[in-house]
Amino acid sequence: GQQVMQIPQYQHVQEGEDFTTYCNSSTTLSNIQWYKQRPGGHPVFLIQLVKSGEVKKQKRLTFQFGEAKKNSSLHITATQTTDVGTYFCAGRYAGGTSYGKLTFGQGTILTVHP
Amino acid sequence: GAGVSQSPRYKVAKRGQDVALRCDPISGHVSLFWYQQALGQGPEFLTYFQNEAQLDKSGLPSDRFFAERPEGSVSTLKIQRTQQEDSAVYLCASSQGTGGFYEQYFGPGTRLTVT
Repeated sequence: GQQVMQIPQYQHVQEGEDFTTYCNSSTTLSNIQWYKQRPGGHPVFLIQLVKSGEVKKQKRLTFQFGEAKKNSSLHITATQTTDVGTYFCAGRYAGGTSYGKLTFGQGTILTVHP
Repeated sequence: GAGVSQSPRYKVAKRGQDVALRCDPISGHVSLFWYQQALGQGPEFLTYFQNEAQLDKSGLPSDRFFAERPEGSVSTLKIQRTQQEDSAVYLCASSQGTGGFYEQYFGPGTRLTVT
C-alpha cells in the first residue's frame, strides 16, 4: 500500500545543534504537510508544501519538497528546548479516490538536552 | 468555537462492549477526519467526511467501526464489540476546505483502553 517512510525514528541533540528529519514515498505526492506533536498533546500544523522543489522557511525551520514530489525534509537550525516533540510528515497521494486522505509518517521524536 | 473538542477524553471498556466517541469540529469547517494513533506511531487515517457525506471510509479496520456526521457538524465514531487491539488514541480533525489541501486542526483525542 501507499506508505510514507520517515527517518530517523529518534534524534537526541544538544541545545544549539541542528536537526533534520526526512520523509520518503515510493509514489508521487500531490502535497505534503508537516505537524508537530508535543508529549501528551495532539498534532499541530506547521506548514504545507505543494510545488515541486518548493522550499519554505519559518524562523529556524526550513521545509523542502523534492523535485519528484516523493520526498521532503524538515531542518531545524540551532535547536532550542522548546523544539522538543514528535515531527510528522503527512502526504496526500495524487489521483485515486482517496480525496481527503493524508498518510502520516511514523514520526521523528526529537529530544533536546540543555 | 475555540477549537476541536472530543469527548470523552478517556474511556475504559471491557472487551465486547460498544463505545461511542464524539467530535465537535470547529464551527463552519466542512471537512472532518478521524484517525487512530497507536503508541509511538503516526496517526492512521480512518475516515473522511465532507459536510454530512462520508467520502472515504477506506481506513476503517473492520465492520465493527462505524462513523457518522448526520448534520454536517458533530461526528460520532462508534466501535462495536471492542477488542484489545482497538486500544489507541482516536483523534478527530477538521479543516476549512475540502480534500487534503487544507490545514487540519486536531482535537485532544480520546484515549480508549480495552481490558
